[in-house]
Formats: sequence, C-alpha cells, structure tokens
Amino acid sequence: EIVMTQSPATVSVSPGERATLSCRASQSVMTNLAWYQQRPGQAPRLLIYGASTRATGIPARFSGSGSGTEFTLTISSLQSEDFAVYYCQQYEKWPPWTFGQGTKVEIK
Amino acid sequence: QVHLVQSGAEVKNPGASVKVSCKASGYTFTAYFIHWVRQAPGQGLEWMGWINPNSGGTNYAQNFQGRVTMTRDTSTSTVYMELTRLTSDDTAIYFCARDGYKDALVWFDPWGQGTSLTVSS
Repeated sequence: EIVMTQSPATVSVSPGERATLSCRASQSVMTNLAWYQQRPGQAPRLLIYGASTRATGIPARFSGSGSGTEFTLTISSLQSEDFAVYYCQQYEKWPPWTFGQGTKVEIK
Repeated sequence: QVHLVQSGAEVKNPGASVKVSCKASGYTFTAYFIHWVRQAPGQGLEWMGWINPNSGGTNYAQNFQGRVTMTRDTSTSTVYMELTRLTSDDTAIYFCARDGYKDALVWFDPWGQGTSLTVSS
C-alpha cells in the first residue's frame, strides 16, 4: 500500500496571501495524484488531477506541481472560501486508493 | 449536470447492518465506476471499495472484506453499500463518488453529499 503523507497538518494564512501544501508518497506515483478540498460539513471536491491539471470550474489560483514522490498544491491569494482541509490522493497503484491525512488551511 | 444523491442519516445498534444508497443522474450510469469512501469523526478519508455499475463487479478494501457488499440497480441508476456487524468504530460519514474517467479507475469526481452513520447502543 502506498502511504501518502501531507505537511504541515495546519497552515495559518492571511486572506490574500499564498499557501503552499506538500504531499509525499512512500513510492513513486508518477503524476497519478489528485487534490481535493473539503469545507466543513461538505463532501470533498476535486481540485487537481494528474498532479497539475485543474478540474472543471476550479479557479486559476489553485495550482499543482510535482511528480514521483513529491507534490505541491499552491493557493495564491487566498479567498475566504478557500479556508478548508485539503487532501492528496494517489491513483497509481491500487487497490487501495490512498489519501493523505489532510492539511487544514486556517485564517491567520 | 452530474449528481450523486445519497440516502439519509442512520442510527444503528452494534451488531446491526446498514444499507446506504447513492442515486446517480446526469450521465450514463453504466459507464463509470462508483467508489465508497468513509470518514470517521475528525479523521481522514478511507477508501472502502468500488462497483462497476455495468457488470456489477466489485473490489473491496481488505479492511472491509467479509463485511461490505456493494450492489447496483441499473433501472434506477442507484448503487448500494451494505455494511454488516457494525461496531462503534463504523461511526462515520459514508460518501459515494463517481470515478473521474469513463471506463477507468482514477480520481473521484463528483462525490455524493455523504450519509452519516452512528453506531451506538
């Protein structure tokens, strides 16, 4: 099973600032990595797939990068609706599909 | 527009079973796999398994083997997830999610709204 590790667990950011979230895989997942946003009380929403492709309707302030074992989700100029928990997920080697434990983006 | 609508919250006693439904609309039901994912209170996401709505074929996570059954009804575009021998550890929100690519197994998009399950005596 591929273990996904996200850091930091929580990041405090002021509105309008940039947030950088990291995700590491225990073995290479190529670019078979997705990012999801989960707001309180809601279901996860796909943001990024293929490590860097934005899903339909996702604003350009969300960008993903990386390959192999190291990945980054960057949110430039944070908006109020961006304060949420973000999960990475690998789909290179399954089953099982595995998720990171999440990074909470909170208001500084 | 693609939608997955799940059944309502459940409260069950330990040892009981629960069956959660997920009704799909806005796309060809048989063309995309459906996954189930659960989230315990304050915790992360755990993949439980998938069902192929076309064939009815399934694949379950090892943690749930022997306790979970996923089925589908093509006449109503609905998939079901049944979990048996419930314990308090099964208290969680259960999500269905469509696979993101036709006839493939990749990312999950979109997700249902979630079904809360509470297991308590």
